[in-house]
Amino acid sequence: EPEVTQTPSHQVTQMGQEVILRCVPISNHLYFYWYRQILGQKVEFLVSFYNNEISEKSEIFDDQFSVERPDGSNFTLKIRSTKLEDSAMYFCASRKGQGTGYTFGSGTRLTVV
Amino acid sequence: DAKTTQPTSMDCAEGRAANLPCNHSTISGNEYVYWYRQIHSQGPQYIIHGLKNNETNEMASLIITEDRKSSTLILPHATLRDTAVYYCIVFNAGGTSYGKLTFGQGTILTVHP
Repeated sequence: EPEVTQTPSHQVTQMGQEVILRCVPISNHLYFYWYRQILGQKVEFLVSFYNNEISEKSEIFDDQFSVERPDGSNFTLKIRSTKLEDSAMYFCASRKGQGTGYTFGSGTRLTVV
Repeated sequence: DAKTTQPTSMDCAEGRAANLPCNHSTISGNEYVYWYRQIHSQGPQYIIHGLKNNETNEMASLIITEDRKSSTLILPHATLRDTAVYYCIVFNAGGTSYGKLTFGQGTILTVHP
């Protein structure tokens, strides 16, 4: 069964450093998403991406965050200057089209120290 | 997107059916009911979705009331591996929201031997 692949599975970074979280969505999917989950809290929407542009973003997704689909397969989330409160599991997801379900990746655990 | 209400936790004996309820009294006509689950800190896993009719797949059945104000997810023969947090999510999969999922706290289902 097709999967959404995320790398790395765990990343530790120092506060103030830039991090890039990588995702390979399912190949024929058109909608791409990033969500995050702080330990013990709900899964929160960050951003959706369609047709090579951001279609919707949450209040969490401020100027420190950016997304990119640099080629036909990768979808990345960049955090420009990490803060302690950015520590969380980050999930990438994709879906084929309207009316279809999401497939989530297994996540990247980001720890900011 | 409509709000959903789920019990905080439920128990089920292994081999028995697990029936997880969800209230979504403010659901609108073009909103789907989706069920996902999350095992530990893994990525949410799609289970099933429906609009009006009852649905069944290899994982579960979804029963939606005629007025669409509530639904029940049925795991027909629960196993220990079904222990997870189950999320009922209502959203407009075909609308301008581009399919943003809003996760609540979900129901913690514990399957015991």
